[in-house]
Amino acid sequence: SQTIHQWPATLVQPVGSPLSLECTVEGTSNPNLYWYRQAAGRGLQLLFYSVGIGQISSEVPQNLSASRPQDRQFILSSKKLLLSDSGFYLCAWSLQAGYGYTFGSGTRLTVV
Amino acid sequence: AQSVSQHNHHVILSEAASLELGCNYSYGGTVNLFWYVQYPGQHLQLLLKYFSGDPLVKGIKGFEAEFIKSKFSFNLRKPSVQWSDTAEYFCAVNAQNTNAGKSTFGDGTTLTVKP
Repeated sequence: SQTIHQWPATLVQPVGSPLSLECTVEGTSNPNLYWYRQAAGRGLQLLFYSVGIGQISSEVPQNLSASRPQDRQFILSSKKLLLSDSGFYLCAWSLQAGYGYTFGSGTRLTVV
Repeated sequence: AQSVSQHNHHVILSEAASLELGCNYSYGGTVNLFWYVQYPGQHLQLLLKYFSGDPLVKGIKGFEAEFIKSKFSFNLRKPSVQWSDTAEYFCAVNAQNTNAGKSTFGDGTTLTVKP
């Protein structure tokens, strides 16, 4: 069966420090991968998506970047965190547009 | 660009009451529609989806949703809610005929069911 792993679950980082959040998928090949940010009381904002290795599309200009070094690995990064980067980050995968997403458990990032 | 509007931010019901959560989307093309649920302490999961065929779709735990194309709506319904349905519900849409499958989400509706 397919599973998705996302870590860490929580992270407290100082302003100006780097960030690396990792997401891996098991049990499927060539998934579409997504990074979303969820703000309290708001919906999910799409940050990045990828339809294949090395293919990254950015939806919102920001202090973050994403990479897909392997078929089932998706990484969210920042060189220097800002206070405004605090939030709940979700990774998700899907095979095709009509299939819906399977979400990871999320990472709560607090920048202090 | 797509957008999704969920009309109710917070809904409070008593057990056995009927539920209808509104969802309207804005997009000029053919869409896939989804409802996701996030139970307290759990991660987001797919509740039901529509991509073609019968506009009335059934999901897990007795939920159903009806796609009304003329109204750009995809409302979620359940005839009799239970305390365990307390959760946050998100409506989402993505465009067909694309391999990216990127979805736009509404702001969510928090459902509280009182025992």
